[in-house]
Amino acid sequence: LAKTTQPISMDSYEGQEVNITCSHNNIATNDYITWYQQFPSQGPRFIIQGYKTKVTNEVASLFIPADRKSSTLSLPRVSLSDTAVYYCLLRPLWGALTFGSGTRLQVQP
Amino acid sequence: NAGVTQTPKFRVLKTGQSMTLLCAQDMNHEYMYWYRQDPGMGLRLIHYSVGEGTTAKGEVPDGYNVSRLKKQNFLLGLESAAPSQTSVYFCASTLGDRGRGNQPQHFGDGTRLSIL
Repeated sequence: LAKTTQPISMDSYEGQEVNITCSHNNIATNDYITWYQQFPSQGPRFIIQGYKTKVTNEVASLFIPADRKSSTLSLPRVSLSDTAVYYCLLRPLWGALTFGSGTRLQVQP
Repeated sequence: NAGVTQTPKFRVLKTGQSMTLLCAQDMNHEYMYWYRQDPGMGLRLIHYSVGEGTTAKGEVPDGYNVSRLKKQNFLLGLESAAPSQTSVYFCASTLGDRGRGNQPQHFGDGTRLSIL
């Protein structure tokens, strides 16, 4: 049973910033919030992970409010190659992940 | 550094046949996982292992067995394949509890299995 809720699909255009919000009302104290990207015919690829506040790396930012009941993945200036499925996941102590259906992001020219 | 390697990449089986999927990682990871992904859905955990010689059931373990005889390898077996097991199988690994704060799972590129 997926523990997160996110939009089924989103559309954007090249060069725009994309924000995908995920809700996780029942997040546990030990859970980290983790985002993965999956292209067709490939395994999921780690994007970013955080526990609270804001995390930024070379490809994305992750915003987590103080109550940790939601999170927002921000992709700056998307390109066509960012078209993929994005999964918001809660990472428990022993690391196994529960995948929902993810958000299908379609980037258009 | 190959990361997580799955073999074979594709396989077609007949109902009732058996086979073993191999996952190998060269990152000295403690934890390894087997997932399956059906069309249009997220991944579901079949079995996992938190160390050499240990295995545990995940969300959908029925019809599968696993073994972790060596730290770098995690085998998934289908004893008597059924059409319902047609899926894409992904293996993943992660460092383990020592580094849980910052260690993501690394996935292989999957094995596409069709059972007729």
